Amino acid sequence: DTGVSQDPRHKITKRGQNVTFRCDPISEHNRLYWYRQTLGQGPEFLTYFQNEAQLEKSRLLSDRFSAERPKGSFSTLEIQRTEQGDSAMYLCASSPSRDILQSISYNEQFFGPGTRLTVL
Amino acid sequence: LAKTTQPISMDSYEGQEVNITCSHNNIATNDYITWYQQFPSQGPRFIIQGYKTKVTNEVASLFIPADRKSSTLSLPRVSLSDTAVYYCLVGDSRYGGATNKLIFGTGTLLAVQP
Repeated sequence: DTGVSQDPRHKITKRGQNVTFRCDPISEHNRLYWYRQTLGQGPEFLTYFQNEAQLEKSRLLSDRFSAERPKGSFSTLEIQRTEQGDSAMYLCASSPSRDILQSISYNEQFFGPGTRLTVL
Repeated sequence: LAKTTQPISMDSYEGQEVNITCSHNNIATNDYITWYQQFPSQGPRFIIQGYKTKVTNEVASLFIPADRKSSTLSLPRVSLSDTAVYYCLVGDSRYGGATNKLIFGTGTLLAVQP
């Protein structure tokens, strides 16, 4: 399978614990995004990497959240001191730069299956 | 930011053509219109994208009038497996080709019945 993968698929944790999620993008994609989705809502942008550089962070990404993409390949999203309001689906997406793959559509991103976080 | 408005839900029957209309009155000159599909417990999947007039691929058609203030996603002969949430997105022109972050609304839940 050459799609975007995420691990774990489900995570249940107690309030106050730290959790870390991993995303493996499609190998030739240099752009990587994290989104968060709560029930009944569309995904909300959290952060964006181009290669290893984190170029944008949403105001939704509080100081308890940190994301890394150390070698420009996989990425991790860590949430410290989890709160019940952090319960959501965390989605990762990747895309190539258009100068690498002109056939890709302007706003086409490839999403992984998500990690569903439940904070008790 | 361009805001989109689409129906919360729609019902259809297998074999029918479904048209979902999205309003985006404040669309900017450089914005593209993109539609995504999302099944429960899965990430969204790109369906189609257009700038003006009509675009067709193997999955759907996208109709965009000259003023670009609305668009219509057309799904031919839907089946039960087309039951999903459909999101209409308008590209954030402030970022152009730099970030391309996607701005999702609440989408349209399409329920296809036998």
